[in-house]
Amino acid sequence: QVQLQESGPRLVKPSETLALTCAVSGYSISSGYYWGWIRQSPARGLEWIGSIYYGGTAYYNPSLKSRVTMSVDTSQNQISLNLSSVTATDTAVYYCVRHGPGEVTVDYWGQGALVTVSS
Amino acid sequence: DIQMTQSPSSLSASVGDRVTITCRASQSIRRYLNWYQQKPGEAPKLLISTASTLQSGVPSRFSGSGSGTDFTLTISSLQSEDFATYYCQQSYTGAYSFGQGTKLE
Repeated sequence: QVQLQESGPRLVKPSETLALTCAVSGYSISSGYYWGWIRQSPARGLEWIGSIYYGGTAYYNPSLKSRVTMSVDTSQNQISLNLSSVTATDTAVYYCVRHGPGEVTVDYWGQGALVTVSS
Repeated sequence: DIQMTQSPSSLSASVGDRVTITCRASQSIRRYLNWYQQKPGEAPKLLISTASTLQSGVPSRFSGSGSGTDFTLTISSLQSEDFATYYCQQSYTGAYSFGQGTKLE
């Protein structure tokens, strides 16, 4: 059974960088699939942030591209998200997800991590 | 950006009712349309992909149809466990955007 677990600071100050890690169990990231992040907030709804393949190829939501960096660590079987210059509008539940190639159809979700941007 | 618009935003229904939720894309997405169900405090769950492909384990009372810009999710006979929020999502291009959700009450 594939399981995804988000971890990282739950409170981030404005203008700083939000950093989250997703540990994957039950499946080797190197075996395929794409791994990514989706966030959800009352104001913005569900929003795809970006996805990455185990080889390191990443693609991002055009509206967030300038602030997003994703990476993969196959030795630890985990992926990471960095979102820079955060503001209060980045407050959301951040989900780690898995999807197939070619389209973002998510078959596995983490439980989600509520990250609040506040001073 | 492709905008996804769901209607209605909320829907009052009873067990046994036939329920239909619609989703409209701002441009053609062919059949690259997914439906998710989300219950309070949980992550969304994939119900239907590519407009009409029912995921393994999803009850057959759920069905999807449509192509191009107009899509529907139908629950043929509503069960108590189906009261949740439903989201459509285009998996075609760009920001892979979601609809704003339809809450079944």
